[in-house]
Amino acid sequence: GENVEQHPSTLSVQEGDSAVIKCTYSDSASNYFPWYKQELGKRPQLIIDIRSNVGEKKDQRIAVTLNKTAKHFSLHITETQPEDSAVYFCAASRGTGTASKLTFGTGTRLQVTL
Amino acid sequence: NAGVTQTPKFRVLKTGQSMTLLCAQDMNHEYMYWYRQDPGMGLRLIHYSVGEGTTAKGEVPDGYNVSRLKKQNFLLGLESAAPSQTSVYFCASSYGLAGTKIDTQYFGPGTRLTVL
Repeated sequence: GENVEQHPSTLSVQEGDSAVIKCTYSDSASNYFPWYKQELGKRPQLIIDIRSNVGEKKDQRIAVTLNKTAKHFSLHITETQPEDSAVYFCAASRGTGTASKLTFGTGTRLQVTL
Repeated sequence: NAGVTQTPKFRVLKTGQSMTLLCAQDMNHEYMYWYRQDPGMGLRLIHYSVGEGTTAKGEVPDGYNVSRLKKQNFLLGLESAAPSQTSVYFCASSYGLAGTKIDTQYFGPGTRLTVL
C-alpha cells in the first residue's frame, strides 16, 4: 500500500519568515495530494490540494509543489503569521472509488513565534 | 447545513464494554470514512464506504466494525473495547462522484474515546 513520509515533525519560524514542509510518497499511481491544517482540539481542514497533472499551485501565502518523478511534494507558507501555528498533514490517494482513501503523513507541528 | 457531525463528543469506557460512534453528513456525499488519530501517528484509516450498503477495510480495521445502512450515516462499532483503542476518532466524507471537488474530504469534529 501507499506510504507517506513527512518532515520535519516540528518546525519553529519567526513571524514573517517562510516555512517549508516536505512529503514523499511510495505509490507511483497516487494522483491527488491534499494538505490539511489542524488547530489544537479542532478537526483537520483542507488548505490546499494538487493533482498529478499540475506541478505547482498557489493560494495567497500558501503554495504546493509536486515532483512526480521524485515522488515528493511540498507545502510552502510565506510571510508566516501567529495564526499559522498548527499541525499540518500531507496526504496522498489514487483517485476515486475504493482508491479514494487517503494515506496521511505523521504531521508537522508549526510554531510561529513573534 | 451542518456538514459532518459526530456523536458523542467524549466517552469513557471500561475494557470489554461496547459502543457505537455515529457520523452523519448532510452534503449528500457518497463516500464516508472513519479515522483514528494518535499522537505522533497522524490519521489512520479504519474503515470506509463508497456508497450506501458498502463498507471496506482500511489500514487498521481490527477490533472495529462499521455499517452504512443510510447514505447520510456511517456507524463505527467497538464490540469489546481495549485500552489500545483509546484515541480521537474522526469521521470524514467526500462527494465521490464527478465534480470539481470529488476528492476533498470534509472532517467531523471528532470523538475523544478513553478506554480504562
